[in-house]
Parts: sequence; C-alpha cells; structure tokens
Amino acid sequence: GQQLNQSPQSMFIQEGEDVSMNCTSSSIFNTWLWYKQDPGEGPVLLIALYKAGELTSNGRLTAQFGITRKDSFLNISASIPSDVGIYFCAGQLGSGGGADGLTFGKGTHLIIQP
Amino acid sequence: GAVVSQHPSWVICKSGTSVKIECRSLDFQATTMFWYRQFPKQSLMLMATSNEGSKATYEQGVEKDKFLINHASLTLSTLTVTSAHPEDSSFYICSAFGRGMGGNIQYFGAGTRLSVL
Repeated sequence: GQQLNQSPQSMFIQEGEDVSMNCTSSSIFNTWLWYKQDPGEGPVLLIALYKAGELTSNGRLTAQFGITRKDSFLNISASIPSDVGIYFCAGQLGSGGGADGLTFGKGTHLIIQP
Repeated sequence: GAVVSQHPSWVICKSGTSVKIECRSLDFQATTMFWYRQFPKQSLMLMATSNEGSKATYEQGVEKDKFLINHASLTLSTLTVTSAHPEDSSFYICSAFGRGMGGNIQYFGAGTRLSVL
C-alpha cells in the first residue's frame, strides 16, 4: 500500500528557531494536509494543499505541495512553546468534491527547549 | 470551525466484552465518516470508511465482523469493538466529511482510548 515517509522523526530546538519537516511518497496524492496532534487528542488541521506547486501560509506556518505531487514540506517560523506536539502529514487521493481516507506519515515530534 | 464529538473519551473493559464508540458531527451533516486506529507513538491508520445509509468499506487486514460500523444518520456513526481482547487496546479516532464544506477537509474527533484488561 501507499506509504508516507516523514522526517525528521523528532526535533529538539530552541525557542525562536525555525522548524522544517517534510513528507515524501512513492505515489501521487492530489491533496496534502498537515495536522498537529497533542497527547490524548485528535489531530487538528493546520494547512490543506490542493494544487501541485501551491504554497500556503497560516500565521507562522508555511506549507508547500510539491510539483511532482509526491512530496510536501511544512515550515514553522520563530517557534514558541505551544508549538510542541506531534506533526503529521497526510495524503489524500481525492482532489475535491469527495472524500477519501487519509494516509498519514509517521509524525515529527517537536520539542522546544526554552 | 466544524465540530466532531467522540464519546466516550476513555473506556476500560474486560476481555471478551463489546464496546461501542460514538462519533457525532455537531454542526454539519457528515456524508462520510472515517475510523482510524492509533497505537502508542505510532501514526493513524485508516480502518474503515463509512457512508451514511450504506455498508462500511474496510481497509485490508481490518476484520469487519470484529469492528462493526453503523452510520445510520448524517450526524452519527458508531464503531463497536466486539469481543475485545487486550491487543485491541488502542486510541480510536473518527473523522467526518461533509459535502459543501470546502475542499476535502476531514474534521477529527478527540479520540477514544480503549484499554482491554
């Protein structure tokens, strides 16, 4: 089946630093999504990308949908303590007008040292 | 934003018993609901896709007779773990999708932690 390779697995950074994580796939997805999950909670959507090459920002977060449709990255600028958590990329075959189950990456555990 | 409620948030049961988990879309009609399972420190894995009024579609390796899914209305889907065993202990998360809400966004519930003794 399809798999998403997400890296890095974990990051230890200082508060204020920028963060970058990415996902690659062996097959094409038509929608890329980035989620954040806090312990014991469900994932919360951060950014949704629907078009190859698309670059989208949400506050300090920026994500891009790779031109080949097989990769995506998420950047967080000027990290703050509340950014701590696990970040997941997710790919979806559908491109709109319908819904397919998501294929998730293994997650990037972000730890911020004050 | 859209709200998906999942109940209970935590359940402990004895081996051999059945457990029902509810997933409700509170402010939109969910034409499709999804059930995921997440083991500790692992990613979410899709178990099944549920469309209102029809039988659920299960992912390969997921036993449909063990994980019964009912999507009887546009706001409620239930997952019943039948004859639960300790290896079924996991974090179960539902998500809901509603047409017309924009894009392919699925809204997730807060999850249900199942512990089977």
